[in-house]
Amino acid sequence: DQQVKQNSPSLSVQEGRISILNCDYTNSMFDYFLWYKKYPAEGPTFLISISSIKDKNEDGRFTVFLNKSAKHLSLHIVPSQPGDSAVYFCAAARPGGSQGNLIFGKGTKLSVKP
Amino acid sequence: DSGVTQTPKHLITATGQRVTLRCSPRSGDLSVYWYQQSLDQGLQFLIQYYNGEERAKGNILERFSAQQFPDLHSELNLSSLELGDSALYFCASSVGAHPTPEAFFGQGTRLTVV
Repeated sequence: DQQVKQNSPSLSVQEGRISILNCDYTNSMFDYFLWYKKYPAEGPTFLISISSIKDKNEDGRFTVFLNKSAKHLSLHIVPSQPGDSAVYFCAAARPGGSQGNLIFGKGTKLSVKP
Repeated sequence: DSGVTQTPKHLITATGQRVTLRCSPRSGDLSVYWYQQSLDQGLQFLIQYYNGEERAKGNILERFSAQQFPDLHSELNLSSLELGDSALYFCASSVGAHPTPEAFFGQGTRLTVV
């Protein structure tokens, strides 16, 4: 049972345009959401996060939106750059104790074309 | 460089064998997490250690075990290896017990079972 779903395995965007990566979750107990970026032959790198008490968090070109009622979050990259080409993982965390570990989606491979 | 060191980077071994993957967390981090990424899959949480003690268990097979030593480095032992165990194994570390944004990943160990 996949609790965090990234339904688009890949996305191709032109340089300078907006990239929108989507993520859906099923567990309403999740209270913290994160996006990680992964280049080939490297480990995932933390990109941006959002708490369930917010509906938007912005960091430079990256903005994450959270729609709790729809159990949906999205990552917007504006403007997209070729260096953004990577696999993006959405992850969710539940609060407290031994359940506080991240549950990852399968990832979306973003290709930004010059 | 995340500061998390994993060795070896690559490992090729035969079915039925046993291997040990090693992880050195970032300086000051007390938590170590192990994840498995199989082909076309997201990262699956295996196990967490916090300051030497097992803190949480995920989808870890009985053939797999881990430990965290007094110097906080961790080892993941995989035994009676099967072809399906071929995957990328990532280690991550964080200061506290929960992998909020400050969880940092190593580059991973690519295990190939032949």
